Amino acid sequence: GENVEQHPSTLSVQEGDSAVIKCTYSDSASNYFPWYKQELGKRPQLIIDIRSNVGEKKDQRIAVTLNKTAKHFSLHITETQPEDSAVYFCAARRSYFGTGTSLTVIP
Amino acid sequence: GAVVSQHPSWVICKSGTSVKIECRSLDFQATTMFWYRQFPKQSLMLMATSNEGSKATYEQGVEKDKFLINHASLTLSTLTVTSAHPEDSSFYICSATGQGVYEQYFGPGTRLTVT
Repeated sequence: GENVEQHPSTLSVQEGDSAVIKCTYSDSASNYFPWYKQELGKRPQLIIDIRSNVGEKKDQRIAVTLNKTAKHFSLHITETQPEDSAVYFCAARRSYFGTGTSLTVIP
Repeated sequence: GAVVSQHPSWVICKSGTSVKIECRSLDFQATTMFWYRQFPKQSLMLMATSNEGSKATYEQGVEKDKFLINHASLTLSTLTVTSAHPEDSSFYICSATGQGVYEQYFGPGTRLTVT
C-alpha cells in the first residue's frame, strides 16, 4: 500500500499570513496527489491536485509543489482568510489520506 | 458539479444485526466507488475500492466478510456491515469517480452507531 504522513497536525495563523502544510509519501509509483478541505460535519472537498509530471500548480491563493525525488509535496495558502479555517488532508493516489491538518485563521 | 448521495445519513442498530448503507452517483456514471471510514477528528481510512460489475478490492486489515460491498450498477454501491459490534460505530463516507476521471466526489457520509 501507500503511507502518507502529514505535518503539522494543527496550525494557527493570523489572517493575511501564509500557511504551509507538508506531506510525504512512500510509494514512488504514486502519481496523483490531491488536497482536500473538510469543514466540520461536511464532506471532503477537492481544492487542488497535482500529477507527478508537474512540479508546481497554482490556483489563486492556493499552490501545491511536488518533489518526486524526495517524495514530498506541500500545500501553500497565501493571504489566509477566516473562511480558510478547516481540516486539510493531503492524499496520494487519490485515496490514501494523510492524517490531516487543522488550520485556524485568526481574524 | 457531480453529486453523490448516501443513505441513510445516520443509523443506530443493535449489536449483532446488519446494516446497509447506499451510495449513489446522481448525475454521472460511477465506474469506481470508494468506501472510507472516518473516526472523530481523524483521517479518512480507505476500506475498499469497487469497480462496477467486479468484486471489491479491500485494503489490508479490512474484513471482507464483515464489510460486504456491492457495486452492481454504474450509479449504486452498497456497504453492508454484518453482525455489527460497537467498535464498528464510525462515520462511513463513500466517493465516486467516472471513467478516466481522477477527481473523486464524496457523499455526505453515514453516521453508524451500534448499541
